[in-house]
Amino acid sequence: GESVGLHLPTLSVQEGDNSIINCAYSNSASDYFIWYKQESGKGPQFIIDIRSNMDKRQGQRVTVLLNKTVKHLSLQIAATQPGDSAVYFCAENIASNTGKLIFGQGTTLQVKP
Amino acid sequence: GAVVSQHPSRVICKSGTSVKIECRSLDFQATTMFWYRQFPKQSLMLMATSNEGSKATYEQGVEKDKFLINHASLTLSTLTVTSAHPEDSSFYICSAARVPGELFFGEGSRLTVL
Repeated sequence: GESVGLHLPTLSVQEGDNSIINCAYSNSASDYFIWYKQESGKGPQFIIDIRSNMDKRQGQRVTVLLNKTVKHLSLQIAATQPGDSAVYFCAENIASNTGKLIFGQGTTLQVKP
Repeated sequence: GAVVSQHPSRVICKSGTSVKIECRSLDFQATTMFWYRQFPKQSLMLMATSNEGSKATYEQGVEKDKFLINHASLTLSTLTVTSAHPEDSSFYICSAARVPGELFFGEGSRLTVL
C-alpha cells in the first residue's frame, strides 16, 4: 500500500545546530502535508503545514520544504534547542479537506547540550 | 487555540472487560473526529473516521465489533474497546476537525490490559 516514510529513525544534533528531518511520500494525489512533534506520552503537536501548491513555508525557527517531483518533504529546525527533543512525524492528507491523515514512521530528534 | 480533551488519560483493566475512551472538542463543534492507535516506538495508525450522527468508517483491518465508535453529538466521540486483551494495550489518540482539514489532537489515552 501507499505509505509515508522517513529516512532516518534517529537524528542526534548539537544544541544550536540546525536540524533537517526528511520524509518521503508516495501518494501523488496528496495535497496537504503536516509536520507534528510528539513528546513522550502526549498527543501530536502541530508544527507547520504546507499545501501542494507551495514548495516552501516558513514558521518560527522552522521551515518545511516540499519537492513534488521526487515526493519529498523536509522539516528544518534552526538553532535546535533541548526542548526540540521529541519524535517528529510527517503526515499527508490523502483525502482532500477531510482531515484523514496518514502518518510517517517518525524520527526521534535528540539534542545534545 | 482549539482544545480537544480525552478521558481517561490512563486506564488499566482486566482482560475481557470493556473500556470506553471519550474525545471531546471543548470550544468548537466537530462533525468529524478520527481515532488513531499508537504502539510503543511506532507511528500513529488511523483506525476509523467518526462522523456525527452516522456510522463510523473503519480502516482496513480494524474490527468494528471490537472497537465501537459512537459520535452522538458535535462535541463528543467515544471509542469502546470491547473484551479487551493484552494485545489491545496501546496509546489511543483522537483528533477533531474544526473545519475540514483543520485538525486538533487530543493528549491521548494509554490503555493497559492485564
